[in-house]
Amino acid sequence: GNSVTQMEGPVTLSEEAFLTINCTYTATGYPSLFWYVQYPGEGLQLLLKATKADDKGSNKGFEATYRKETTSFHLEKGSVQVSDSAVYFCALSDDKIIFGKGTRLHILP
Amino acid sequence: DTAVSQTPKYLVTQMGNDKSIKCEQNLGHDTMYWYKQDSKKFLKIMFSYNNKELIINETVPNRFSPKSPDKAHLNLHINSLELGDSAVYFCASSQVLRSLPTEAFFGQGTRLTVV
Repeated sequence: GNSVTQMEGPVTLSEEAFLTINCTYTATGYPSLFWYVQYPGEGLQLLLKATKADDKGSNKGFEATYRKETTSFHLEKGSVQVSDSAVYFCALSDDKIIFGKGTRLHILP
Repeated sequence: DTAVSQTPKYLVTQMGNDKSIKCEQNLGHDTMYWYKQDSKKFLKIMFSYNNKELIINETVPNRFSPKSPDKAHLNLHINSLELGDSAVYFCASSQVLRSLPTEAFFGQGTRLTVV
């Protein structure tokens, strides 16, 4: 079946550091791919998405590129802020929306 | 004008009780979901409804019964609550495009604590 695998956390970085959170997927079709963010005590919010191969999703300085050849959708940000501290979920949409296990990110001032 | 709203936000109850969580979306979406998030933040889909019709029912105990009176509402009723049911339950909705769900919009969650 379809699945999403993302790097385990927690990930701890200093402010202004470069961020990469790895995500790979397994799917039989051509799913859409998403990154969601969950701030403490809140629901999930869509951060960015890509609907086909080679698409790049971007939002709030975060980027991810849909790589069909490596079945990956890694999340990157060039300079993180303390306010980016949250849990990040990679997800795919095929017949349903499936989430990875989440990666907790801590940014230190 | 919250897009997906669920009530209550917190629910503390004793083992063996029956409780309901309500969810409403005003986005005009056809599909609604219930997810369970455990203490490790793992999100697992429980149910999915499309236009009031159940389309996904994962391996969830039959103590959990979803009900969709119309496509804007999806409620979750839980019978005979157990300690292991303690979690955060999220309602979500999405549109369907070319038979596939688009991005999901989530409610704020209901933190259920069974004591």
